[in-house]
Amino acid sequence: IAGITQAPTSQILAAGRRMTLRCTQDMRHNAMYWYRQDLGLGLRLIHYSNTAGTTGKGEVPDGYSVSRANTDDFPLTLASAVPSQTSVYFCASSSHGDLNNEQFFGPGTRLTVL
Amino acid sequence: QKEVEQDPGPLSVPEGAIVSLNCTYSNSAFQYFMWYRQYSRKGPELLMYTYSSGNKEDGRFTAQVDKSSKYISLFIRDSQPSDSATYLCAMKGLVGYQKVTFGTGTKLQVIP
Repeated sequence: IAGITQAPTSQILAAGRRMTLRCTQDMRHNAMYWYRQDLGLGLRLIHYSNTAGTTGKGEVPDGYSVSRANTDDFPLTLASAVPSQTSVYFCASSSHGDLNNEQFFGPGTRLTVL
Repeated sequence: QKEVEQDPGPLSVPEGAIVSLNCTYSNSAFQYFMWYRQYSRKGPELLMYTYSSGNKEDGRFTAQVDKSSKYISLFIRDSQPSDSATYLCAMKGLVGYQKVTFGTGTKLQVIP
C-alpha cells in the first residue's frame, strides 16, 4: 500500500508558468487537503475537499485552484506562478469515520518559482 | 497573535535525556490535541493524540493537555538519536472537523 503519492518530488518553475501538483491516495479516504509549509509559518491549509465533487478554501487559497473528480486524486494548480509560491507542498487525506481525524501526509513537493 | 504558539527551537539534548516540547493556544474550542513528527524532507506523521484534558502515554512518549491553561506538552523519555526530527503540535475543535491548526514545529536533535 503506497498511502499518498505526490508528483513531482521537486520542481523549478519560471514565474508566470502554470503548474499542477499531483496527489493520489489509495486509502479510500473521504477528505483530502493541500498545505504549504514555510519556515517560521508552519503548515497552512490551501484548499480541502470533504468528498469527491466538493472543494473548499483554506487559510491561503489565493493563486491556487483544486479539483476533486474522484476519491483518489486531488490535483493542485498554480495558474500563474509567483516567487512567493516557493514552498514545500504537502497533500494529506483523512477518513470522516475517524473521530481523531488523523491526517496522513504525502512526501511533499518542493517548488521553487524564479 | 497566532492561534497556536510553539517554540521553534532548535532543541539539542544528549541521548537518554528527557525532552519536553510545548505549545500554547488561544482558541478554547479546541478539543482534540495531536503531536506529529516530521523527519527531514518527509511528510508529518501522527505520533499521539489526546481528547480534552489529561495525560496519554505510549511507550517513551507522554502527551499532556491542560485546557485550563491552554497548554499542551509532549514528553520523550530516554531520548534516542532516532527521535531527532521536527515535532508539530496540532489541534482541532468538534465543529468543522476538517480544520486542523498546526504549530510551527520544534526541531529536536538528540546527540549520541
